Amino acid sequence: GAGVSQTPSNKVTEKGKYVELRCDPISGHTALYWYRQSLGQGPEFLIYFQGTGAADDSGLPNDRFFAVRPEGSVSTLKIQRTERGDSAVYLCASSSGDTQYFGPGTRLTVL
Amino acid sequence: SQQGEEDPQALSIQEGENATMNCSYKTSINNLQWYRQNSGRGLVHLILIRSNEREKHSGRLRVTLDTSKKSSSLLITASRAADTASYFCATAPFGGNKLVFGAGTILRVKS
Repeated sequence: GAGVSQTPSNKVTEKGKYVELRCDPISGHTALYWYRQSLGQGPEFLIYFQGTGAADDSGLPNDRFFAVRPEGSVSTLKIQRTERGDSAVYLCASSSGDTQYFGPGTRLTVL
Repeated sequence: SQQGEEDPQALSIQEGENATMNCSYKTSINNLQWYRQNSGRGLVHLILIRSNEREKHSGRLRVTLDTSKKSSSLLITASRAADTASYFCATAPFGGNKLVFGAGTILRVKS
């Protein structure tokens, strides 16, 4: 079956702009996660959804970051007033149990 | 912040040799998972070991877990050039859902 998909695969934007990153989880997975990975480091947790609600958003770095999952399937990570430090690979994962399955990521570059 | 630390940071071996990577973590966990990442993009799930398990096998992979030492090891036997990748351990803290990753081990298998 289809895995987790993320769009776009690459996004280049200018400092101060708004971006949206999309995640399509594996069908039927109720749990969805967003992580951020900087060069040379492991992924860092941002936010976790169970169904439509954000069950844990403790990893969001500040209020410029926001994520939604209105129908309990597709999720969108939104970043306002982007900064150069936001440049990273943004990874989405979904699960129906303990194992998390990751998408290919979106590489965000803020110029 | 990242909980785990992988050791070594980088490992270079000849095809056919075994590769061992170690992971240490800090808090009580529900399970520990190992992932592989090629070219800094999507993570591929390799194996999950629960806190009440001590050893697990999957094909050429062998994982051990020592909860008293808060450490795990991943052994890849009879390595192949295609095993060249970054390997990450990730812990699921007890009572939580998010994964906490280490910084990873870069494995290079020379043919």
